[in-house]
Amino acid sequence: DTGVSQDPRHKITKRGQNVTFRCDPISEHNRLYWYRQTLGQGPEFLTYFQNEAQLEKSRLLSDRFSAERPKGSFSTLEIQRTEQGDSAMYLCASSLWIGSGNTIYFGEGSWLTVV
Amino acid sequence: AQTVTQSQPEMSVQEAETVTLSCTYDTSESDYYLFWYKQPPSRQMILVIRQEAYKQQNATENRFSVNFQKAAKSFSLKISDSQLGDAAMYFCAHWVTQGGSEKLVFGKGTKLTVNP
Repeated sequence: DTGVSQDPRHKITKRGQNVTFRCDPISEHNRLYWYRQTLGQGPEFLTYFQNEAQLEKSRLLSDRFSAERPKGSFSTLEIQRTEQGDSAMYLCASSLWIGSGNTIYFGEGSWLTVV
Repeated sequence: AQTVTQSQPEMSVQEAETVTLSCTYDTSESDYYLFWYKQPPSRQMILVIRQEAYKQQNATENRFSVNFQKAAKSFSLKISDSQLGDAAMYFCAHWVTQGGSEKLVFGKGTKLTVNP
């Protein structure tokens, strides 16, 4: 069990560029979550998957954001035409869903700075 | 809307002393789950403790315990014998199940400083 891993850990990009983050969940975890966290705030839910199916998207996830989990394993979060307001840490988490309230395990996050 | 409120943006405690972090939440559910997560400066969120609402007994994990008051919708975290390594952001979270959706909703956090 290597934990949830995220790549890259840090990304600096110019406004208007596209960025993609990757998340590798804990092996055999069937649920994968994306959260966004800005300085001084708690994580805010963006979206989650059960296996390869995307079950919910927050209204925070504008049309510029897209997330995939093509084979039910790793996931990518792409942000197109980045804006300065996208600067945040993007957290990935996973869980083995066997009922409500299962513990979810977080990765170390991917910091995005849009300049 | 499901909300989680942490009214203490910052707290400090002397090493070896006890500190209590407050959390209140809003829910219309009768059965639910509550969590406290710790986020050290390295930024990885770590589960501290988990409470199931249908259990009347307060959860305990070593030096960490909760005071769960269901009627008051209060879920405070007590850290006993505080250690320097306890310094971190602490987030209270509520597991929300609504309309087929399931997710953790977090409060804004409390920054805990441990003074030697």
